[in-house]
Amino acid sequence: GNSVTQMEGPVTLSEEAFLTINCTYTATGYPSLFWYVQYPGEGLQLLLKATKADDKGSNKGFEATYRKETTSFHLEKGSVQVSDSAVYFCALAVFSGGYNKLIFGAGTRLAVHP
Amino acid sequence: DGGITQSPKYLFRKEGQNVTLSCEQNLNHDAMYWYRQDPGQGLRLIYYSQIVNDFQKGDIAEGYSVSREKKESFPLTVTSAQKNPTAFYLCASSIEAGSGHEQYFGPGTRLTVT
Repeated sequence: GNSVTQMEGPVTLSEEAFLTINCTYTATGYPSLFWYVQYPGEGLQLLLKATKADDKGSNKGFEATYRKETTSFHLEKGSVQVSDSAVYFCALAVFSGGYNKLIFGAGTRLAVHP
Repeated sequence: DGGITQSPKYLFRKEGQNVTLSCEQNLNHDAMYWYRQDPGQGLRLIYYSQIVNDFQKGDIAEGYSVSREKKESFPLTVTSAQKNPTAFYLCASSIEAGSGHEQYFGPGTRLTVT
């Protein structure tokens, strides 16, 4: 079946530290991959996406590369800020039953301290 | 500005009462979705709709109902049959239901049933 596994949080970092949040997936076919971010009390916002192998999605200093050989889509940022504190969700989209089904990981909470 | 609105942000109900959550979008998207989020978990799909007057059950549809009479609106009713209705509910939309199209999320409604 289709599934997404993320590293468990919380991840606690100091400002300007390097961030990696691991995400691996299991899917039939060739899914699109997404990272969404959820700030406290809010809905999800699309952070970045990649639609085929070796694509790199990037936005606001965050990057993730679609690695088909390792079925991974790890999120990275070179220097985190306090304002990056949020919950990050990795997701894959598969076309199943006539619609674009999004399957989410459990989320990883990031806390950045000054 | 285009977007998705959900109202109210917080909702309180007594056990045994039905309650309807509002979702409106002005993005001219064909597809709309309802998700449920519980603490520490990813999102789970309740219902989705690909076009007006059509909707399909998602992974956890029991105890919920929806309607799609207008393209812009996709209200969700949480019925008294839902065993554990307290949760954060998120509405989303996408251009169409085809593969690769990202979903855009509303700010969510937090429902508490006592």
